[in-house]
Amino acid sequence: DSGVTQTPKHLITATGQRVTLRCSPRSGDLSVYWYQQSLDQGLQFLIQYYNGEERAKGNILERFSAQQFPDLHSELNLSSLELGDSALYFCASSVALLAGGDNEQFFGPGTRLTVL
Amino acid sequence: EDQVTQSPEALRLQEGESSSLNCSYTVSGLRGLFWYRQDPGKGPEFLFTLYSAGEEKEKERLKATLTKKESFLHITAPKPEDSATYLCAVQAKNTGGFKTIFGAGTRLFVKA
Repeated sequence: DSGVTQTPKHLITATGQRVTLRCSPRSGDLSVYWYQQSLDQGLQFLIQYYNGEERAKGNILERFSAQQFPDLHSELNLSSLELGDSALYFCASSVALLAGGDNEQFFGPGTRLTVL
Repeated sequence: EDQVTQSPEALRLQEGESSSLNCSYTVSGLRGLFWYRQDPGKGPEFLFTLYSAGEEKEKERLKATLTKKESFLHITAPKPEDSATYLCAVQAKNTGGFKTIFGAGTRLFVKA
């Protein structure tokens, strides 16, 4: 158990809908990362937050947005869903923002999103 | 363009047959290289962090090494429970912070 929790575990929805995925980081971790993993794309970095502020963006679509709240939990919002958005969505957390300390990322169990 | 390439894509070993997995990278401003293990349907599990060329880390049957262009994950006398996908990731400087780039992984199968 990494200490990172994600809800829900599974989500089935229809095209055009909007969903929210939730992540609680490990106690003491200030950075939260979101990743998308599909069979043909591997693990793709979406976005990172550090202590409530956005710090890095990867291949995140404009239909997707995220935020980190004062209690450090994070939510990933996916809107106007398409079939191709079906994937595993992982959240990870780490203590530090930059290298020089322990900034390895600890991953949650993921949310499996199925868009029908 | 920043890139991380892992090889081979898949590796089948007999129990006890040692081998190595490769992770080659092309990034500017490398901050660290990470190895993870991922079991099907689960989140990646952290194994090692390497920061500078020449660095080595060991854990049980696994040993990770780093050069300026690549990293190797050596598996000594593997057991069936070592079967998993092994992911390599690099952290590199990005505007306002840093970014993490994962390789596609090497699927390892160890047969008893």
